Amino acid sequence: QKEVEQDPGPLSVPEGAIVSLNCTYSNSAFQYFMWYRQYSRKGPELLMYTYSSGNKEDGRFTAQVDKSSKYISLFIRDSQPSDSATYLCAMSARTGTASKLTFGTGTRLQVTL
Amino acid sequence: GAVVSQHPSWVICKSGTSVKIECRSLDFQATTMFWYRQFPKQSLMLMATSNEGSKATYEQGVEKDKFLINHASLTLSTLTVTSAHPEDSSFYICSAPLVGGPNEKLFFGSGTQLSVL
Repeated sequence: QKEVEQDPGPLSVPEGAIVSLNCTYSNSAFQYFMWYRQYSRKGPELLMYTYSSGNKEDGRFTAQVDKSSKYISLFIRDSQPSDSATYLCAMSARTGTASKLTFGTGTRLQVTL
Repeated sequence: GAVVSQHPSWVICKSGTSVKIECRSLDFQATTMFWYRQFPKQSLMLMATSNEGSKATYEQGVEKDKFLINHASLTLSTLTVTSAHPEDSSFYICSAPLVGGPNEKLFFGSGTQLSVL
C-alpha cells in the first residue's frame, strides 16, 4: 500500500464547476499538508499549505484536512480552463524536513469550455 | 512566492555525453536543494539532497557516480548526468526550501526535460 493515494484521473469538468480533489494517507505522523499545481512539462507550483486538521481558504481554493480520517481535499470554485493541470498532494511529518515530502501521484484536471 | 530558476528547460544529447542542469534560488539563499525525477504520469521521486559546502545525500538506488551534484554557493546547485543513456531520459526538477516563520515551504524550478538519443 502506498503511503499516499491519489486518484490519477483524468477528471473533466465544465467551466464554472466546483472541483473536488482528494488524497488519503496511511502515515498518522503526517502533520503538514500541501497542494501543488503542475502544468505540463513545468515544475510544481505551491498552491496551499496547511498544518493539522481544519480548513484554509485562498481565493477560489479551499484546502481541507481531516486527520482523523487521514483524508485531505482541495476544492476549486468557479473552475476555469486555466485551472487545467495536474494537482499533486504532498505531506510531511514535520517542518524542516521538506526534502522528505511524500507526494501523491497527481490528479489530472481538465476544465472544458 | 519565492523563485527557483532551473536551466535548461530541455536538452537533447547523444548517448555517452554528459549533461549539466543548473538550479538557482533567485531571491533567497538555500543551504539545501533537492533534485527529483519524474516519469510521465507519475509522481516526483526524490533523487538526492544537495548540501552547500558538503557532499550530497543520495536516496537509495540512485547512482552517485551517474548523477553528480555540486552545491557551489548558497544560491546554486548543479546536477550532472554523466555518460547519459536513453534510460536516463526523464523530467528532472529541482527545489529549494524557504524557511520563513514556523514553517518551511518548498519551491520548485520549472524542470528540465532530458532526452538521450
